[in-house]
Amino acid sequence: GAVVSQHPSRVICKSGTSVKIECRSLDFQATTMFWYRQFPKQSLMLMATSNEGSKATYEQGVEKDKFLINHASLTLSTLTVTSAHPEDSSFYICSARVLAATSSYNEQFFGPGTRLTVL
Amino acid sequence: GNSVTQMEGPVTLSEEAFLTINCTYTATGYPSLFWYVQYPGEGLQLLLKATKADDKGSNKGFEATYRKETTSFHLEKGSVQVSDSAVYFCALSDNQGAQKLVFGQGTRLTINP
Repeated sequence: GAVVSQHPSRVICKSGTSVKIECRSLDFQATTMFWYRQFPKQSLMLMATSNEGSKATYEQGVEKDKFLINHASLTLSTLTVTSAHPEDSSFYICSARVLAATSSYNEQFFGPGTRLTVL
Repeated sequence: GNSVTQMEGPVTLSEEAFLTINCTYTATGYPSLFWYVQYPGEGLQLLLKATKADDKGSNKGFEATYRKETTSFHLEKGSVQVSDSAVYFCALSDNQGAQKLVFGQGTRLTINP
């Protein structure tokens, strides 16, 4: 099946620093990637949708200047948390999808997630 | 807006017990419905899906039927195994544009031998 990786799996940083998280589709080309945030014992909340080569579309309430998303190739998207603060500590999950003209629904394949802790 | 509500956990069962995890949804139009499973240390995996009313999704012994009249998509399995221990998420997609997923809060299932 399709595999999506994330790196790093865990990161601890000091308040005020920036952290970059990578999301890669390993065996397929992803026209669209999604970034989610998951708080403990809560659901996944969609942060943004990114299409290769274009600007990301952010969900309401998500600061685009704080959470920078780059989708420069069909196999890589990055999420940069700028000037991170303790309230940004969370589990960040990406997913990747390829559009198939023959399918009415195009499955998202999820990465294993990145746990960010900001001290 | 669209939303998904699923049974709060955690749920603990003995091996070979019958499992039901309830899921109801609110959506405009005709969404597709999904169950995802997240095993410890792994990413979410699609378990099953249904794209229209009365469809039944099934996989690995799990089943769920798309009930439009009750706006529900309950997950069932007749005889659970220890290996089914995981977190289960109900989700919907409105099939519009980017086909974004809306998730329920997740239900942690633990099966004891």
